[in-house]
Amino acid sequence: ETGVTQTPRHLVMGMTNKKSLKCEQHLGHNAMYWYKQSAKKPLELMFVYSLEERVENNSVPSRFSPECPNSSHLFLHLHTLQPEDSALYLCASSQDKTSYNEQFFGPGTRLTVL
Amino acid sequence: ILNVEQSPQSLHVQEGDSTNFTCSFPSSNFYALHWYRWETAKSPEALFVMTLNGDEKKKGRISATLNTKEGYSYLYIKGSQPEDSATYLCASGSSNTGKLIFGQGTTLQVKP
Repeated sequence: ETGVTQTPRHLVMGMTNKKSLKCEQHLGHNAMYWYKQSAKKPLELMFVYSLEERVENNSVPSRFSPECPNSSHLFLHLHTLQPEDSALYLCASSQDKTSYNEQFFGPGTRLTVL
Repeated sequence: ILNVEQSPQSLHVQEGDSTNFTCSFPSSNFYALHWYRWETAKSPEALFVMTLNGDEKKKGRISATLNTKEGYSYLYIKGSQPEDSATYLCASGSSNTGKLIFGQGTTLQVKP
């Protein structure tokens, strides 16, 4: 596979469930990102990882827990979510964490919290 | 707090028309301005990354300009085609941490 992949593509979960979103990049990049897009809102950065270290946490509630075990994989662990967390979650990667580098996006996970 | 604003919010044009969109961003602590195209059911795809005041970039029929002093960028599409139908996002990087602030996008619909 090439580029940035995300699984699952669609997820429906209850407020008491625990689930994880997975992102994998095959581009040899050193930085990875989680974004959230809610209806009628701009893409919103959640987390930035550079060389497996978190360098940005954009005031995200603790019910979202990121994990970056290596530079190719990024997870977003979800627990006790709220219905307002329903959104499209996009993963992206870039060569490194500087703003000069274009970001390559995955197809996203459409999350519905019941 | 950074605010990136895009206008118009949506645009309907006929095939063959040329069109342009605006992105405005805070000019202080500017590092880079990104443009992405996001087609329905696909991933956002980078069009341009611009860093210098006066930068102009071109890719086929699409071009972009950058004014960092006044905090705006224009995206131009010459001779629009139906396959140009997409949402066009701009994003400003005001630090060197990969943190991009996105605008809400301009959704373009090109009618055959």
